[in-house]
Amino acid sequence: GAVVSQHPSWVICKSGTSVKIECRSLDFQATTMFWYRQFPKQSLMLMATSNEGSKATYEQGVEKDKFLINHASLTLSTLTVTSAHPEDSSFYICSARFPGADTQYFGPGTRLTVL
Amino acid sequence: DAKTTQPNSMESNEEEPVHLPCNHSTISGTDYIHWYRQLPSQGPEYVIHGLTSNVNNRMASLAIAEDRKSSTLILHRATLRDAAVYYCILSKRDDKIIFGKGTRLHILP
Repeated sequence: GAVVSQHPSWVICKSGTSVKIECRSLDFQATTMFWYRQFPKQSLMLMATSNEGSKATYEQGVEKDKFLINHASLTLSTLTVTSAHPEDSSFYICSARFPGADTQYFGPGTRLTVL
Repeated sequence: DAKTTQPNSMESNEEEPVHLPCNHSTISGTDYIHWYRQLPSQGPEYVIHGLTSNVNNRMASLAIAEDRKSSTLILHRATLRDAAVYYCILSKRDDKIIFGKGTRLHILP
């Protein structure tokens, strides 16, 4: 099956700093990538949809100025958590879809801990 | 978005078949039925998906009711590694995937 990677797999940062998470589709070109967040013992929550070369579409309640998404190429999307605070600590997961596909393929996730 | 209903949790014995039910009475004609599973501290893993006909792959089988208002994911021979949260999701082609609460499957040795 299609492979999606994320980097880093975990990160610890100080409150007020910014953190960038990368999502790559390794063996296909992904015109659309998605970013999810998951808190402990909860389900995944969709944050935004990212289309290559255009601005991301954010779900209701997600601050676009805090969670910056860039999808500059067909194999790479990045999520930057700006001015991170402890409440942003979560498991961030990306997924990717290639054109015409019925389904999505998910990355392994990035665990962010903000001290 | 059309909703799905799944049991919160299920138990099964190792090496026995597991049938995970999903109700989706408001499904539309263009909704695909997707199943993903998530092991602890990992991203979701694609299991299977279908539109109208039953589907089989190396991981599982998907049985879809004739009226499409329900479906069942079948794991033919459960192992301890199949313990996970299983999500049944409806989504149209090229549309986003929204996760519900899923079914937590426990496998008993």
